[in-house]
Amino acid sequence: EDKVVQSPLSLVVHEGDTVTLNCSYEVTNFRSLLWYKQEKKAPTFLFMLTSSGIEKKSGRLSSILDKKELFSILNITATQTGDSAVYLCAVHNNDMRFGAGTRLTVKP
Amino acid sequence: NAGVTQTPKFRILKIGQSMTLQCAQDMNHNYMYWYRQDPGMGLKLIYYSVGAGITDKGEVPNGYNVSRSTTEDFPLRLELAAPSQTSVYFCASSLDRTGADNYGYTFGSGTRLTVV
Repeated sequence: EDKVVQSPLSLVVHEGDTVTLNCSYEVTNFRSLLWYKQEKKAPTFLFMLTSSGIEKKSGRLSSILDKKELFSILNITATQTGDSAVYLCAVHNNDMRFGAGTRLTVKP
Repeated sequence: NAGVTQTPKFRILKIGQSMTLQCAQDMNHNYMYWYRQDPGMGLKLIYYSVGAGITDKGEVPNGYNVSRSTTEDFPLRLELAAPSQTSVYFCASSLDRTGADNYGYTFGSGTRLTVV
């Protein structure tokens, strides 16, 4: 059965810390892996990864995919309170399968 | 610049009642989806549509129905509400199924449904 597992489930850090969120997957017909940020409402798109080893960056956020080991990480450097959210990993094969998310809390 | 619009934002239903969750997108996306999100469980696909007149079941379709009469609208119908359908429901759309447009899915702001 296809599955997407995120870890940790929750994380509390202080402003300025660097965090790494993990996403491992076991799916057939892998096409892409996506990261979303969900604050109070709708998930918003962060990154889509299709190739191993190519880092995608957006400001303090970056992500990389390892298709051999079947995982991806999302890094956030110099965290701010506005980074507090649930971060969702989703893997696209024939469907879009979501992980349960990592709840990140950044304290001042 | 509306994107994906869902209504209502909140609703309380009694067991056995029916309701329709509305979803509309103005981006001319072919693909539309309904997900439910339960605490700690991630998003589960209920139904999806690849275009007007075409719908298909997702992972958890039981207790729901959909229709897609136009490209813009994709309503989700609950016929006999049950407590197990208490959840947050998200509608989403995309240009194509593979995400090759590099923007992933665009989500609506969600409908929080409670069945009592």
